[in-house]
Amino acid sequence: AQSVTQPDIHITVSEGASLELRCNYSYGATPYLFWYVQSPGQGLQLLLKYFSGDTLVQGIKGFEAEFKRSQSSFNLRKPSVHWSDAAEYFCAVGPNFGNEKLTFGTGTRLTIIP
Amino acid sequence: KAGVTQTPRYLIKTRGQQVTLSCSPISGHRSVSWYQQTPGQGLQFLFEYFSETQRNKGNFPGRFSGRQFSNSRSEMNVSTLELGDSALYLCASSLTFISGNTIYFGEGSWLTVV
Repeated sequence: AQSVTQPDIHITVSEGASLELRCNYSYGATPYLFWYVQSPGQGLQLLLKYFSGDTLVQGIKGFEAEFKRSQSSFNLRKPSVHWSDAAEYFCAVGPNFGNEKLTFGTGTRLTIIP
Repeated sequence: KAGVTQTPRYLIKTRGQQVTLSCSPISGHRSVSWYQQTPGQGLQFLFEYFSETQRNKGNFPGRFSGRQFSNSRSEMNVSTLELGDSALYLCASSLTFISGNTIYFGEGSWLTVV
């Protein structure tokens, strides 16, 4: 079965600092990978996705992610965070041909300090 | 282009009652899926509909049901509400059910069961 691990529950970074959120997946084939962001009280907004091709994908709001098959990772990065980036970030894999559409990680809550 | 629209945004129900949540997908999207988000269980897949047919179902009791109409709008229903059903219910839409389609989420419906 597919699974996603986000090892960091909570990360705090200073405004202007760089950011990397970790995501590891388990999937039997070439995965479809996504990063979503959720602001408090809101739904999920798609940041970026990887389906195939270039392993470095660019998303909205200055985010990028790199797919590394050898490490089963899809880490999200941003060179310089802004206070408005404070939110919860979810990595997801899928859909597959089984019983689930998307499998989400448990999320990483990002706090930005001035 | 309008996004995924969910109504109502907030509601409070009493144990034992039932509730119906509504979702209008992005125009042209024919696949609608539902997710439950709770602090304890995270994001869990409920079910997915395409062309008025349920294609996939997650691991939830039969009290959770849904349907899709010919205009792709979807409703989900929870009968005999329990306190543990308190959650954010997210609707998502995509063009089709084919793997790799980008899935877009609505703002969610916050359900509180008292």
